[in-house]
Amino acid sequence: AQSVAQPEDQVNVAEGNPLTVKCTYSVSGNPYLFWYVQYPNRGLQFLLKYITGDNLVKGSYGFEAEFNKSQTSFHLKKPSALVSDSALYFCAVRDDIYGNNRLAFGKGNQVVVIP
Amino acid sequence: DAGVTQSPTHLIKTRGQQVTLRCSPISGHKSVSWYQQVLGQGPQFIFQYYEKEERGRGNFPDRFSARQFPNYSSELNVNALLLGDSALYLCASSLGPRDRFYEQYFGPGTRLTVT
Repeated sequence: AQSVAQPEDQVNVAEGNPLTVKCTYSVSGNPYLFWYVQYPNRGLQFLLKYITGDNLVKGSYGFEAEFNKSQTSFHLKKPSALVSDSALYFCAVRDDIYGNNRLAFGKGNQVVVIP
Repeated sequence: DAGVTQSPTHLIKTRGQQVTLRCSPISGHKSVSWYQQVLGQGPQFIFQYYEKEERGRGNFPDRFSARQFPNYSSELNVNALLLGDSALYLCASSLGPRDRFYEQYFGPGTRLTVT
């Protein structure tokens, strides 16, 4: 089965500083990778995806992610963090050899942006 | 356009009871997936339906069942509830199981508490 790992439980960053949330993947074949964000008592909001093409993917709210095949990583980045970016971030991979949209999620990273 | 809607928002049940959760996808979306998110973990895939047919099933017991209706809305049923079934149940919709964008859009979830 395809899987992703998010090695850190919590990421603390000062407002205005760069934010990085790490994700590594394990897949057979081509990876289809996603980042979602979850605010308290809310569902998941889609941020960005990597299917194919450029290794740097730009998404919503100023977020971007870098796909690195040699390091099997898909780290989420934002050049300047805002307090409103404080939330739970999930990395996910499509986990279905038949091409369906079943997703396997990591455990999530709590991001805390300090004013 | 309305996003994915789920009902009810919150639910409290007793062990052994049965529960039905409902989901309406985004207009035009024909695929619905269900995920279980236990506190402190990432969402776990339960089912995917497309055009009323089951297209995928996660590692959940037979107490969990689902169906999709002609209008593409869906119900998730859980029988003989256990304390461990307490979780946030998320519904996600997409254009189809293989639509080229592979994006799933999540609803706000139903918070189920089993006592």
